[in-house]
Parts: sequence; structure tokens; C-alpha cells
Amino acid sequence: KQEVTQIPAALSVPEGENLVLNCSFTDSAIYNLQWFRQDPGKGLTSLLLIQSSQREQTSGRLNASLDKSSGRSTLYIAASQPGDSATYLCAVPSGGYQKVTFGIGTKLQVIP
Amino acid sequence: GAVVSQHPSRVICKSGTSVKIECRSLDFQATTMFWYRQFPKQSLMLMATSNEGSKATYEQGVEKDKFLINHASLTLSTLTVTSAHPEDSSFYICSASSTEEQYFGPGTRLTVT
Repeated sequence: KQEVTQIPAALSVPEGENLVLNCSFTDSAIYNLQWFRQDPGKGLTSLLLIQSSQREQTSGRLNASLDKSSGRSTLYIAASQPGDSATYLCAVPSGGYQKVTFGIGTKLQVIP
Repeated sequence: GAVVSQHPSRVICKSGTSVKIECRSLDFQATTMFWYRQFPKQSLMLMATSNEGSKATYEQGVEKDKFLINHASLTLSTLTVTSAHPEDSSFYICSASSTEEQYFGPGTRLTVT
């Protein structure tokens, strides 16, 4: 059974700081990993999808890395802004067609 | 990107009544849709996998007679919470898949009084 852990659970940083969010998973036999953003009371917005054959994926100020062998992924946010404040979730395939398991998320607050 | 809608966004119902939530893929066809539930300060938990034209597959511990799922077309899946109770109050989110990526709806906040 796939288990996903995200550290830290919460993070508060001043505006402009670079930061790293961590995601670890127990079953490394995955074909991709996806990072999402969730604003309070809202649905999920897909940020990055990284394939198992890739080591990194970039979109704007976001960079996701994947190390399957160690069961880890990181989401790097450069030059953080108050609008980045949200909960960030990683989702990992967990057996069955397209089924995924979510981590509990990292709640990020960027202070102006 | 692909868009998934949910309706309603919020619903309040009385205990014992049923409520239906719709999930639509607006600009692509989704052979598979997923229904998740999220309790406060917890992550999303998969409830069931819905395939167009066939019966849904429920996760362990999810009552199929209580959470009725219908996937009648490639763009629409519905979740009906039957005989709702206050403990069913939660945030319900659907997703529709296209190839390997899942696209999520905005969610429905259900409150049972």
C-alpha cells in the first residue's frame, strides 16, 4: 500500500524567500508524480506532473524533482509571493489504473 | 488545460434526505472519473472510481448503497449521497482523467443539518 508523507506540515516564510517542500512515498514503482495546489475551501489546481523518466519539471517559479530510487520528490518555489499561500499536495500512483494517493499537504504562508 | 466542473458548489440538506452532486468534464471526454472526500485538515481520500457505462469500484470502507455513483456519459458522473447524516458533511471533489493526468473539479461543500 502506497503511503505518502509531506514535510513540513506547515511553513511560514517572508516574501521573496526561496523554499522547498518535500514529499516521500513508500512504493517507488511509480510512473509519475503530481503536485497540486489547494486554496482554502477550493478544489485542486495541478501545478506540475513529472514522469518517472524525468528528474525535473519546471513551470515558472516552480521546479519539481523526482528521485524514484529514494522515494522522494521536492517542490522548489523561487522568490515566494503572498499569492503562493496555499496548501500544496503531492499525489503518487497507488495501484490500479490511474489511482493516486495524496499526502496530507504542506500549508504554506508567505508573509508580505 | 482541461476543465472539470462540479455542481452545486455548496449544498445544505436535512438529515435523512438525499443530495446529488454532478461532475462534468467540459472540454474533453473522460472514460474514468474519481470521487474523493476531504475532511477538515485531512488529505483527499479516494471513495470510488467511476468508469463510463459500468459500475463504480468503491474503496474499502465506502458504502456503495449510501454513495451512489452513476457515470452515464463520457462527460458526466454523479454522486448521490442517500439518507445523509451529519457525519457525511464534508468536501467532495471529483476528478476526470485524460491519459495519465487527473483534472480536478472545484469541489462541493456538503453540510447535513
